[in-house]
Amino acid sequence: GQQLNQSPQSMFIQEGEDVSMNCTSSSIFNTWLWYKQDPGEGPVLLIALYKAGELTSNGRLTAQFGITRKDSFLNISASIPSDVGIYFCAGQWETSGSRLTFGEGTQLTVNP
Amino acid sequence: NAGVTQTPKFQVLKTGQSMTLQCAQDMNHNSMYWYRQDPGMGLRLIYYSASEGTTDKGEVPNGYNVSRLNKREFSLRLESAAPSQTSVYFCASSPQGGLYGYTFGSGTRLTVV
Repeated sequence: GQQLNQSPQSMFIQEGEDVSMNCTSSSIFNTWLWYKQDPGEGPVLLIALYKAGELTSNGRLTAQFGITRKDSFLNISASIPSDVGIYFCAGQWETSGSRLTFGEGTQLTVNP
Repeated sequence: NAGVTQTPKFQVLKTGQSMTLQCAQDMNHNSMYWYRQDPGMGLRLIYYSASEGTTDKGEVPNGYNVSRLNKREFSLRLESAAPSQTSVYFCASSPQGGLYGYTFGSGTRLTVV
């Protein structure tokens, strides 16, 4: 099946710092999605991207759909303690009807 | 707005016991999914149902069976639980495929002893 490489696997940062994480694929994706999972909960959709080069923000979060359509980036600015959790990228390589492929997640820890 | 509801939230089984994890969605979604999440391994797809009346295997189907009971409900059954099936199980649904993302339930934490 399709593989997504997500990095880094974990990050330990101080409150107020900016954070960047990314996902890469060997295949071209038509859709990139970013999820956050709070401890003890299911993943929740943060941002959806549908066009190469697209840059979309959701509050302090900004995500980009890579020009090559094989990667995506998520940035979090001015981190706060409630940003703690696991962030997953997900992609779809065909049109509607195809399943999502998930990255392995980035565990984010924010020290107050 | 309940979204995706999973029951139970926690379960402890003895090796060899059977159980069924229940999932229901109230968003009129066509597609439903079962994932397991293990430390350091992300989300792995067990089974999915693209539409009512169809089910297909995912990456890790061995030891599991599913039933798409109707459009709302998709259950996961462990016929003979093994310690390797200790995990957190998530049910998800989507309108059709992955284009607009999946909505996840809050999970079932299963321990097999």
